Amino acid sequence: DVKVTQSSRYLVKRTGEKVFLECVQDMDHENMFWYRQDPGLGLRLIYFSYDVKMKEKGDIPEGYSVSREKKERFSLILESASTNQTSMYLCASSLLLRESPLHFGNGTRLTVT
Amino acid sequence: AQSVAQPEDQVNVAEGNPLTVKCTYSVSGNPYLFWYVQYPNRGLQFLLKYITGDNLVKGSYGFEAEFNKSQTSFHLKKPSALVSDSALYFCAVRLNQAGTALIFGKGTTLSVSS
Repeated sequence: DVKVTQSSRYLVKRTGEKVFLECVQDMDHENMFWYRQDPGLGLRLIYFSYDVKMKEKGDIPEGYSVSREKKERFSLILESASTNQTSMYLCASSLLLRESPLHFGNGTRLTVT
Repeated sequence: AQSVAQPEDQVNVAEGNPLTVKCTYSVSGNPYLFWYVQYPNRGLQFLLKYITGDNLVKGSYGFEAEFNKSQTSFHLKKPSALVSDSALYFCAVRLNQAGTALIFGKGTTLSVSS
């Protein structure tokens, strides 16, 4: 089974802090994704990557950046956390095939105070 | 713009009754469609997908979905609901290129009462 592991289940950070969310997958998937999930808004794509050092902006990239130095690891960075970034963050991975489903981690619930 | 709509925020059904969770899509070309389920405090789990071929696709936990091209719909169904099916369900569409992300609907909460 594919395993996507997000390093933290819960995080509490202060406004203005730099925040790192880490995600690791163990199935040699080319694609990796970061979504945020908010009630009533569903999942919104922040960034995705189809290869090492490659990244593509999603629908809501403002205030975020990403890093993919190794194939198995995809990091989401909040440069200066703000309260409106309080959310559930979901990492996912998939093969580089259109029919390949995404496999999700259990999520990181981030609270910015 | 390519999009997915789930017209119902919540669906309530009694245990043992059939259930339907609705999804419509707007995408150019041939759609690749997916259904996911999310249990509380967990990530999303893949249920089933439509790529091509038979309009009725079967997935995990007894779920199935019917693709209807003329109505641009991909409704999730189950003949007999269980209380344990209570969860949040998401429909998603993949854009027309390999390696791209899924676009998700806003989700439908399914509540099955005993």
